[in-house]
Amino acid sequence: RKEVEQDPGPFNVPEGATVAFNCTYSNSASQSFFWYRQDCRKEPKLLMSVYSSGNEDGRFTAQLNRASQYISLLIRDSKLSDSATYLCVVNSGNDMRFGAGTRLTVKP
Amino acid sequence: EAGVAQSPRYKIIEKRQSVAFWCNPISGHATLYWYQQILGQGPKLLIQFQNNGVVDDSQLPKDRFSAERLKGVDSTLKIQPAKLEDSAVYLCASSLWGGSSYNEQFFGPGTRLTVL
Repeated sequence: RKEVEQDPGPFNVPEGATVAFNCTYSNSASQSFFWYRQDCRKEPKLLMSVYSSGNEDGRFTAQLNRASQYISLLIRDSKLSDSATYLCVVNSGNDMRFGAGTRLTVKP
Repeated sequence: EAGVAQSPRYKIIEKRQSVAFWCNPISGHATLYWYQQILGQGPKLLIQFQNNGVVDDSQLPKDRFSAERLKGVDSTLKIQPAKLEDSAVYLCASSLWGGSSYNEQFFGPGTRLTVL
């Protein structure tokens, strides 16, 4: 089993749609969680951290379920500019593990 | 504020040759990471430095890969000899400090390596 697994995608959605990505992790001792965004042929950039109580940043909502070892990212009102690969990242102390990413394409 | 700098941006070599990549982290960042990202996969951590000490190199193929950060600032990653499967983007990242709490990593643009 991979340490961090994501929906394989790709997700192709129309502008304005709501889309959700899921991620599961295997290390129950994991302590912090993030979503990074990676545009084609660019470096990853932090989108948002994921807190135990869930958190929202504009159109983006992240949720964490420690019991099920699961995190999610919800994007509302998708924009063309949201097209990218979304990487789930799990930190266990000094050990950062990235998922393979889920590719999103938002179409007009 | 200047970001993480990497060079070269692109490198093409033949198998069994050697190659070196350079990284200059954001000023004041104590922690530096090297990742390997193969096409279609997420970044894989190769090595993490805290200042000039190695924190984690468990996924570094030590028979051919080496890295150093002599003065706790710049770092180099070397592959000797390269194999076809080393073709990937090598990303350098830095953060203020390592540890278990929130700790944003800032990535450089990467070096795209092609081994023929």
